[in-house]
Amino acid sequence: GAGVSQSPSNKVTEKGKDVELRCDPISGHTALYWYRQSLGQGLEFLIYFQGNSAPDKSGLPSDRFSAERTGGSVSTLTIQRTQQEDSAVYLCAIQENTEAFFGQGTRLTVV
Amino acid sequence: QKEVEQDPGPLSVPEGAIVSLNCTYSNSAFQYFMWYRQYSRKGPELLMYTYSSGNKEDGRFTAQVDKSSKYISLFIRDSQPSDSATYLCAMRGSARQLTFGSGTQLTVLP
Repeated sequence: GAGVSQSPSNKVTEKGKDVELRCDPISGHTALYWYRQSLGQGLEFLIYFQGNSAPDKSGLPSDRFSAERTGGSVSTLTIQRTQQEDSAVYLCAIQENTEAFFGQGTRLTVV
Repeated sequence: QKEVEQDPGPLSVPEGAIVSLNCTYSNSAFQYFMWYRQYSRKGPELLMYTYSSGNKEDGRFTAQVDKSSKYISLFIRDSQPSDSATYLCAMRGSARQLTFGSGTQLTVLP
């Protein structure tokens, strides 16, 4: 989507490995979100960054998941010791007023 | 029970048909209501946004919100094959993050 670039587009990893997913907002939006979309499911909120405030981590499913946002721009979502149930599309979004602009997502497959 | 329920379909209609997509929700604090369209292997894109109850029309699309029934709808008139996609309802209250339905897969047959 316009304004948000995610990499990689696809990632296949072995169970137990760590993975890092990247979100690069093109313009300097202060609000950034990570969502997860499992097969046939809607989007599940993971974490939210707003400026210099402490991130809202209430959606992270376990302590294997973490995220950071450096310099108010690029964000990385890290999943440690990946499990098969982590397989999903991970979407990053920026928000302008009420509209959320999504990237194309990273399709993660844990084998 | 999920906060937002949406019939997953799949829904298949002939070109030119009127399509009705619906979601119900349980959280009375929700006041911002959205419909997103998601093409295969793409991120969702915002289609319609409505604040509180009422109707909103944009071309062939009409969004309706009935807060008393906790029910929202999206109508697509004169449906086209290019409308084939997954349609996701989304909503929020004072929290910034969106709560999504599971999505309805729509196919418009030429």
